[in-house]
Amino acid sequence: GQSLEQPSEVTAVEGAIVQINCTYQTSGFYGLSWYQQHDGGAPTFLSYNALDGLEETGRFSSFLSRSDSYGYLLLQELQMKDSASYFCAVKGTGGFKTIFGAGTRLFVKA
Amino acid sequence: DSGVTQTPKHLITATGQRVTLRCSPRSGDLSVYWYQQSLDQGLQFLIQYYNGEERAKGNILERFSAQQFPDLHSELNLSSLELGDSALYFCASSEAGNANTGELFFGEGSRLTVL
Repeated sequence: GQSLEQPSEVTAVEGAIVQINCTYQTSGFYGLSWYQQHDGGAPTFLSYNALDGLEETGRFSSFLSRSDSYGYLLLQELQMKDSASYFCAVKGTGGFKTIFGAGTRLFVKA
Repeated sequence: DSGVTQTPKHLITATGQRVTLRCSPRSGDLSVYWYQQSLDQGLQFLIQYYNGEERAKGNILERFSAQQFPDLHSELNLSSLELGDSALYFCASSEAGNANTGELFFGEGSRLTVL
């Protein structure tokens, strides 16, 4: 089966850096994705890592270590609008099934 | 706008009833996914279709069924509804069944309330 663990809540101040960790267990691994979801909205794609290392997209970066079954999302220069839920997701066997973690709620304070 | 269209946006019904949720994927996307999100919960994977064929199944209840039609739109049928089925149901699409980028495009969801 597949399972993912991520912290339920993180709080940080505006302008700071925050890291949201994700560990996973999966039979077959194709990649780790990150999604952002604002209250009442649809999840939107942030990043995808299929290989080990760091991927950077603007203020957001994502890291993957396949040997440790671990990844993280790094958010820099936090803004109030970054307050949202962040989900890690794993593509498993055959690359067809994408399973999401329970989500990390990020609160950005002024 | 992701390009994925879901209808209806809101639906209120009674226990024991049956409803159908509809999803039109992005133009050109062959793969459709259905997810259930209960209040303050994560996204529970229900089922995935690729070009009309079922490709992956999650913890979808036997009371739920889905299909993808030749024009690639998909429907999720929920029957014998229970209070616990109240949730936001998301449809997502991707270019291929195992899209290399991993990106899923989500619709705005259908909020189902069972009274």
